[in-house]
Amino acid sequence: KQEVTQIPAALSVPEGENLVLNCSFTDSAIYNLQWFRQDPGKGLTSLLLIQSSQREQTSGRLNASLDKSSGRSTLYIAASQPGDSATYLCALENQAGTALIFGKGTTLSVSS
Amino acid sequence: NAGVTQTPKFQVLKTGQSMTLQCAQDMNHNSMYWYRQDPGMGLRLIYYSASEGTTDKGEVPNGYNVSRLNKREFSLRLESAAPSQTSVYFCASSEPSNRPGETQYFGPGTRLLVL
Repeated sequence: KQEVTQIPAALSVPEGENLVLNCSFTDSAIYNLQWFRQDPGKGLTSLLLIQSSQREQTSGRLNASLDKSSGRSTLYIAASQPGDSATYLCALENQAGTALIFGKGTTLSVSS
Repeated sequence: NAGVTQTPKFQVLKTGQSMTLQCAQDMNHNSMYWYRQDPGMGLRLIYYSASEGTTDKGEVPNGYNVSRLNKREFSLRLESAAPSQTSVYFCASSEPSNRPGETQYFGPGTRLLVL
């Protein structure tokens, strides 16, 4: 059974710092991996989607990488801002599955 | 273009009561999903519908039923609510995974409290 783990569970950083969020998974037979953002009391917003054949995706200050062989993905946030404070969820779609399998998330707090 | 909408936003039920959570999407997506989100557990799939007229169980289907009313709407029903069903429920939609690059779009959630 595919398991998705996100470490750390919570992270606090000062504004301007570069940071990395980690996601690991146990079964490398994935179709794609996505990073979502969730603000308190809100739904999920997709940030980046990486197909299994890709190594990374970039959007603005965000860069997500995927290493299937080691079962790891990272989300890099450059020059963090207070507006980046949210919970970041990693989710992947197995090749055999039809829906997303989520990690428990990393709650990020960026102080000004 | 409203995306994915859910009603109600918040509901309080007594144990044993029934209710239906509504979800609609206006993106002409074929696939729709119901997840629940609990503290410390992440999001878990309850049911999904790959296309109109089909539904399948996810990871935690017990105590729930679903109806794919048409391509736009996918409802989740609790026949006899239990305190263990206190959670935040999210509906999502997407194109099937055989179209690379398609992500899932989520509704704002329904917060359910069962007393």
